[in-house]
Amino acid sequence: IAGITQAPTSQILAAGRRMTLRCTQDMRHNAMYWYRQDLGLGLRLIHYSNTAGTTGKGEVPDGYSVSRANTDDFPLTLASAVPSQTSVYFCASSELAGNTGELFFGEGSRLTVL
Amino acid sequence: AQSVTQLDSHVSVSEGTPVLLRCNYSSSYSPSLFWYVQHPNKGLQLLLKYTSAATLVKGINGFEAEFKKSETSFHLTKPSAHMSDAAEYFCFSGGYNKLIFGAGTRLAVHP
Repeated sequence: IAGITQAPTSQILAAGRRMTLRCTQDMRHNAMYWYRQDLGLGLRLIHYSNTAGTTGKGEVPDGYSVSRANTDDFPLTLASAVPSQTSVYFCASSELAGNTGELFFGEGSRLTVL
Repeated sequence: AQSVTQLDSHVSVSEGTPVLLRCNYSSSYSPSLFWYVQHPNKGLQLLLKYTSAATLVKGINGFEAEFKKSETSFHLTKPSAHMSDAAEYFCFSGGYNKLIFGAGTRLAVHP
């Protein structure tokens, strides 16, 4: 079982370009999440989805969009990348939305915006 | 407002000595609390979780944490550090649509 797969693992991107980070899970989890990790700030929630067909904004949603067309996939799109979006992005999932579910994480996507 | 504060950004211990990583939380209701570990260039892995059952929670790799409501704390401990424990540790508070991570504590273990 792969768990959560993120792609690409690393990417360098020119400012102003569009970029989609892919996330796929094979655990049939209902909820999925995107976090960004920055030094000294820990992990901050960008967007989440409690179930297929629904999405919600997290702590730092500006400049990002997500979709949840099915249970397995939860892509994160940067419509026009800016240098402040340089970060490591983690996708996560949990069986249920809410406060009792363990989060399962992907290995991360390191994005550099120049 | 819900929040999580990790009181130390860096902790350094000698191998074989106890580990204490501190986490305080703020929540208007009884939270679910977790500790995660992140090794270099890896995703996060669950160490242990508290979900209003026993206040002393045992996790993997000899770690444990105690939920103290009176102190709003959920500190992570281990009796004897091992070199492989060197990593970054995150305290996490779960709530519906309010999933809050602390800023992280980097644990260094010296021979």
